[in-house]
Amino acid sequence: DTGVSQNPRHKITKRGQNVTFRCDPISEHNRLYWYRQTLGQGPEFLTYFQNEAQLEKSRLLSDRFSAERPKGSFSTLEIQRTEQGDSAMYLCASSRDTSRGKETQYFGPGTRLLVL
Amino acid sequence: AQTVTQSQPEMSVQEAETVTLSCTYDTSESDYYLFWYKQPPSRQMILVIRQEAYKQQNATENRFSVNFQKAAKSFSLKISDSQLGDAAMYFCAYRANYGGSQGNLIFGKGTKLSVKP
Repeated sequence: DTGVSQNPRHKITKRGQNVTFRCDPISEHNRLYWYRQTLGQGPEFLTYFQNEAQLEKSRLLSDRFSAERPKGSFSTLEIQRTEQGDSAMYLCASSRDTSRGKETQYFGPGTRLLVL
Repeated sequence: AQTVTQSQPEMSVQEAETVTLSCTYDTSESDYYLFWYKQPPSRQMILVIRQEAYKQQNATENRFSVNFQKAAKSFSLKISDSQLGDAAMYFCAYRANYGGSQGNLIFGKGTKLSVKP
């Protein structure tokens, strides 16, 4: 068990550029979540996958955001035409579906995005 | 909509002493889970303790225990024998249980815990 990994760990970009983040979940985990954490706040839910299917999206996920999880393994989160308000820590978490929803979400180290 | 409130932005405790972090939540659901997560500086978030709403017994994990008051919608975390390594941001989180289907976590704003040697 190598844990949840995220790449890159840090990303600095100019406003208007596109960025893509990657998350590799724990290998046997079928659920994958993306959260966004701004300074001084708790993480906020963005979107959720069960295997390769994207089952839920938050209203925070504007049209400029898109997430994929091809083949139900790693996931990517792309932000198009970045804005300064997109600056945040983007967290990925994974879990394994268990009975009665006794899942535990394991978090990655996050990707810190700074939009200049 | 469900909400989680942590009213203590910062707390401080002397090493080896006990500290309690507060959390209240609002929900109309009867079946849900509550969590405390720890986020050390520049490190990833880890689960400290979990409470199932249908269980009346308070969860404990070594030096960490909770006081779960379902009627009052209160879920506090007690850390006994505080250690320097306990210094971190602590987040209270809620997740509804929809019969095993998806359930994203709803977090409070966090409490920054400092431990004084």
